[in-house]
Amino acid sequence: EPEVTQTPSHQVTQMGQEVILRCVPISNHLYFYWYRQILGQKVEFLVSFYNNEISEKSEIFDDQFSVERPDGSNFTLKIRSTKLEDSAMYFCASSEVDASTEAFFGQGTRLTVV
Amino acid sequence: GQSLEQPSEVTAVEGAIVQINCTYQTSGFYGLSWYQQHDGGAPTFLSYNALDGLEETGRFSSFLSRSDSYGYLLLQELQMKDSASYFCAVRDRRDDKIIFGKGTRLHILP
Repeated sequence: EPEVTQTPSHQVTQMGQEVILRCVPISNHLYFYWYRQILGQKVEFLVSFYNNEISEKSEIFDDQFSVERPDGSNFTLKIRSTKLEDSAMYFCASSEVDASTEAFFGQGTRLTVV
Repeated sequence: GQSLEQPSEVTAVEGAIVQINCTYQTSGFYGLSWYQQHDGGAPTFLSYNALDGLEETGRFSSFLSRSDSYGYLLLQELQMKDSASYFCAVRDRRDDKIIFGKGTRLHILP
């Protein structure tokens, strides 16, 4: 069964460092998303991406965040200068049509900023 | 903006039926989804309702009333493996994103 894969599963980084979280969405999907979840809290929308550009972003997704689809398979989230409060589980998701139907989530990358 | 309200916790007994309610407030509405998340796991899709009524998928059913801005997830014949958090989520018609509620933690007692 096709699935969304994310690497790494865990990432520990020092405050102020840049991190890149990687995702391989399901191959025939057209919409891609990043969400984050701080431990014990709800899943928060960060950004959606369609047709090689950002289609929607939240207030959380400020200038220190960026996304890229460098080739036909990868979808990355870059955090330029990490802060302690960026520590969370980051989920990548993709959907075949749009956000109105089923989104498939990867297993997440647990980011810890120290 | 959008907001969703659902109970923070629900407790039920194995083999019983439980209903998790969700009310939403959005400027537009495209549909209501339900996701399940086990501890340490990723959200997994359970159901989607765009029109009023009940959708049934095995032991799980989901209901939507657009006029009441209300929906629920019904879980029947509860099993211990159903212990998880359940999130309702909406898409505002104008926005290409899914907004999640805060989740309902379902505890199942033997």
